[in-house]
Amino acid sequence: DAEITQSPRHKITETGRQVTLACHQTWNHNNMFWYRQDLGHGLRLIHYSYGVQDTNKGEVSDGYSVSRSNTEDLPLTLESAASSQTSVYFCASSESGFPQHFGDGTRLSIL
Amino acid sequence: GQQVMQIPQYQHVQEGEDFTTYCNSSTTLSNIQWYKQRPGGHPVFLIQLVKSGEVKKQKRLTFQFGEAKKNSSLHITATQTTDVGTYFCAGYSGGGADGLTFGKGTHLIIQP
Repeated sequence: DAEITQSPRHKITETGRQVTLACHQTWNHNNMFWYRQDLGHGLRLIHYSYGVQDTNKGEVSDGYSVSRSNTEDLPLTLESAASSQTSVYFCASSESGFPQHFGDGTRLSIL
Repeated sequence: GQQVMQIPQYQHVQEGEDFTTYCNSSTTLSNIQWYKQRPGGHPVFLIQLVKSGEVKKQKRLTFQFGEAKKNSSLHITATQTTDVGTYFCAGYSGGGADGLTFGKGTHLIIQP
């Protein structure tokens, strides 16, 4: 069965460190998304991609970057982790206009 | 840009009572999607509504799409403890970010 997997599931790091969260999907979807979820804010879009070599900024992109070198993967990098980036991060994929499939999430704590 | 407002933010009900969450978009939508997120889990797609005035049912869940395609509702009849979670609507307008804008969700808390 097709799936979307995120790793790691949990991570603790220190401020100022670079952190990369992995997202891998086997749906063969063109569209991939990164969201962060914080209490009271729902799901906020960080970055998204419509296909290989395409990346776009979302609502809360400052301090984050992504790259899309193949269809399956969209890693999310925090260039210099800040405590405000402590959150739960979800990756999702879809075809345009169709429902998004979400990964299980990564709980990131920045101390 | 497009905004999707969802109310209420929290809803406490006694088990067996009904529950409704409402979703309103600032723009006309091509479709609206509903997702459920269990505590500690990830959002899971429930249903998509496309047509003006459309009503769809899934067992005790009834979904409606407004005539103007700018609002939607999810109604749960006779809630059960398995209904606990956060319900999100997501409006699709065909624009950037795949045109999907999520509401902030309604947290359903059920007291036995």
